[in-house]
Amino acid sequence: EPEVTQTPSHQVTQMGQEVILRCVPISNHLYFYWYRQILGQKVEFLVSFYNNEISEKSEIFDDQFSVERPDGSNFTLKIRSTKLEDSAMYFCASSEAAGQRYEQYFGPGTRLTVT
Amino acid sequence: AQTVTQSQPEMSVQEAETVTLSCTYDTSESDYYLFWYKQPPSRQMILVIRQEAYKQQNATENRFSVNFQKAAKSFSLKISDSQLGDAAMYFCAYRPYNNNDMRFGAGTRLTVKP
Repeated sequence: EPEVTQTPSHQVTQMGQEVILRCVPISNHLYFYWYRQILGQKVEFLVSFYNNEISEKSEIFDDQFSVERPDGSNFTLKIRSTKLEDSAMYFCASSEAAGQRYEQYFGPGTRLTVT
Repeated sequence: AQTVTQSQPEMSVQEAETVTLSCTYDTSESDYYLFWYKQPPSRQMILVIRQEAYKQQNATENRFSVNFQKAAKSFSLKISDSQLGDAAMYFCAYRPYNNNDMRFGAGTRLTVKP
């Protein structure tokens, strides 16, 4: 069964550094998402992406964050100048098409630790 | 703003028994979707069950069923004949009809005792 994959599984970075989290969505999916889960807290929506554009973003997704689909398979989340409070699990998800009845498939997550 | 509340941080159930996980939500929308996701220790979230708000009939997927009370804004998950593999974090989630901003509850950690 196709799966969403994410790399790396764990990323450690120093405060102020830039990180890029990578995701490979399911191949025929057209919508892509990023979520984060700070330890012990809720999963929070960050952004959705369709047709090479951001379609929705939350208040969390400020200028520090950017997303990109650099090629036909990868979907990346870049965090510039990381802060301690960016430490979290970051989940990528993808769905087959537009429309709310389409299930979002989640990746296993990348644990980001900012020191 | 839409919020999702799961009032049970932890629940436990004996193997083969039935357990119900609670979820309430707050919204002014009339059309939306509700979900229960399971997050096993490997941390990949898996969709368990989905309910469209316009459908009165409660969704069912094998041993998993929901009790959707739209007026009360309640969406509980019932797991029948619990199995050891059901042990996980369970997240209730809400998504408006017209966008992809999914809101999650804080989760309920379910333990299944042999």
